[in-house]
Amino acid sequence: AQSVAQPEDQVNVAEGNPLTVKCTYSVSGNPYLFWYVQYPNRGLQFLLKYITGDNLVKGSYGFEAEFNKSQTSFHLKKPSALVSDSALYFCAVSLLSNNAGNMLTFGGGTRLMVKP
Amino acid sequence: EAGVAQSPRYKIIEKRQSVAFWCNPISGHATLYWYQQILGQGPKLLIQFQNNGVVDDSQLPKDRFSAERLKGVDSTLKIQPAKLEDSAVYLCASSTARWRETQYFGPGTRLLVL
Repeated sequence: AQSVAQPEDQVNVAEGNPLTVKCTYSVSGNPYLFWYVQYPNRGLQFLLKYITGDNLVKGSYGFEAEFNKSQTSFHLKKPSALVSDSALYFCAVSLLSNNAGNMLTFGGGTRLMVKP
Repeated sequence: EAGVAQSPRYKIIEKRQSVAFWCNPISGHATLYWYQQILGQGPKLLIQFQNNGVVDDSQLPKDRFSAERLKGVDSTLKIQPAKLEDSAVYLCASSTARWRETQYFGPGTRLLVL
């Protein structure tokens, strides 16, 4: 069974400072990892994904994430936070299921609060 | 390119009533997913379609939930009868047929069961 953990319910950061949102995963096989962001009353918006290759993945809105196989982590980062980055962030892992599906398993989410 | 469309956006019903949600995926996307997102939790997959066939419905409570995608495009998710614990946001997502591809989500339908 695959699982995702986001150890922090909320992350607070000042505008202009770097931010990190943590994610660890557990799968039996090669993981495909995703980050999504959710604004109030909106669906999930895709930020970035790791499939294979370079461990540092760059995505939308200046976000990036680093895949670390030995630590089974896929932390989301941004060098300089904006107030508009305040939202709910979800990490997800995908494995080819027994039925050849593409099920995403999500973490519980981390609320990012960026203060001016 | 139009995104995933869902309707209604909000629905309030009483327990034991029935409700249906509609989803129109991104044009050309063969794979369609329904997720349930309970407040304070991450989305949980209910069912996955590949064209008009079910790929995975292992987490769908089949005694009360049903879903169909008759022509391989639009999909409907139904709950009958609804329970209080069904209060959640129901998200539809779609992707191309190839696995590992990104899933794109609609805005969701927020259901409140009283």
